[in-house]
Amino acid sequence: EDKVVQSPLSLVVHEGDTVTLNCSYEVTNFRSLLWYKQEKKAPTFLFMLTSSGIEKKSGRLSSILDKKELFSILNITATQTGDSAVYLCAGPYNQGGKLIFGQGTELSVKP
Amino acid sequence: GAGVSQSPSNKVTEKGKDVELRCDPISGHTALYWYRQSLGQGLEFLIYFQGNSAPDKSGLPSDRFSAERTGGSVSTLTIQRTQQEDSAVYLCASSRGQLYGYTFGSGTRLTVV
Repeated sequence: EDKVVQSPLSLVVHEGDTVTLNCSYEVTNFRSLLWYKQEKKAPTFLFMLTSSGIEKKSGRLSSILDKKELFSILNITATQTGDSAVYLCAGPYNQGGKLIFGQGTELSVKP
Repeated sequence: GAGVSQSPSNKVTEKGKDVELRCDPISGHTALYWYRQSLGQGLEFLIYFQGNSAPDKSGLPSDRFSAERTGGSVSTLTIQRTQQEDSAVYLCASSRGQLYGYTFGSGTRLTVV
């Protein structure tokens, strides 16, 4: 059975800290792994990772995939209170089909 | 439209009643997905439509749940004889292909009392 596991489940940091969120997966027919940020209801797309070892960056956020060890990390540097959200990891996104989501990591950034 | 539109945004219903939730995907997106998210939980896959292919219904939790997609566009998720455990946020997403990820709607918060 396909499985995506995220850790930690929750995290509290202070503004300016750097955080690393983890995602491990066991999925068949892997193609891509996706990261989303969910603040209220609708998750918003952050990254799609297909190739191992290639870092994707967007401002203070970056992510990388290790297809050999079956995991991905999401880094956020110089965190801000606006980064507070649930971060969701999902795969395998093959052939545009259904995604299996992890439980999410709830990040709280304190001023 | 510019985004994925879902209606209603909130729905309170009595146990045993039927409800219909609507999703209007982004124009041109061939794939449409329904997920639900219970309080404090991750997203649970329900059903997936891709073009004219038979839908993947493997995530529907019981035969009280059904969904259709008319004309390859708007989709309706129907829950018959609602139960309290059906209370959740129901999220719809659409995609134009495997290179682009999903775009989610804002969801419908369903409360069964």
